[in-house]
Amino acid sequence: AQTVTQSQPEMSVQEAETVTLSCTYDTSESDYYLFWYKQPPSRQMILVIRQEAYKQQNATENRFSVNFQKAAKSFSLKISDSQLGDAAMYFCAYHTSGTYKYIFGTGTRLKVLA
Amino acid sequence: GAVVSQHPSRVICKSGTSVKIECRSLDFQATTMFWYRQFPKKSLMLMATSNEGSKATYEQGVEKDKFLINHASLTLSTLTVTSAHPEDSSFYICSARTGGLSPLHFGNGTRLTVT
Repeated sequence: AQTVTQSQPEMSVQEAETVTLSCTYDTSESDYYLFWYKQPPSRQMILVIRQEAYKQQNATENRFSVNFQKAAKSFSLKISDSQLGDAAMYFCAYHTSGTYKYIFGTGTRLKVLA
Repeated sequence: GAVVSQHPSRVICKSGTSVKIECRSLDFQATTMFWYRQFPKKSLMLMATSNEGSKATYEQGVEKDKFLINHASLTLSTLTVTSAHPEDSSFYICSARTGGLSPLHFGNGTRLTVT
């Protein structure tokens, strides 16, 4: 069965610094998608970044980038130049093309210190 | 684009009553919508998959008679919590995709409190 693991329940980062959130997953599939979602205090789930497993190039969205290591089944999120508005719960998620289900990790709460 | 609207955002009801939560895709058609439940400081748990024009598919352990799902059109799915009890108090979130492999877009959630 597919699983998604986020081993860091909570992380802190100083404003303007860089932080990396970890995510590992387990799957026997070769074709899948990985996501990072952000859930601020408003509870709205917001897509941060997406990575297709068949792409070797790491996805980047402005200050957000991923380190996708397919062989290691690792998908970490790097936030550069952290801002106060980045404070939120961050969920790593997995999805295969063959099923409608998304599998979410348990989340990492990110605190940004002024 | 790809906006999912969920209503109400908060609802308080008395034990034994039923509550309906609506999920609408505002600018796209969604043949499939998903209902999640989130406990405090926990991850999202998929409850059921709502299919337009057919019965919903429920995840193991989710009572289909308690959580009624109706997907009557390509832009609207509803979740009705029947005979609500305090243990049904939770945060419920719906989501939808614009296409088969597109990311999930989420509604803003409904906080249900059963007194």
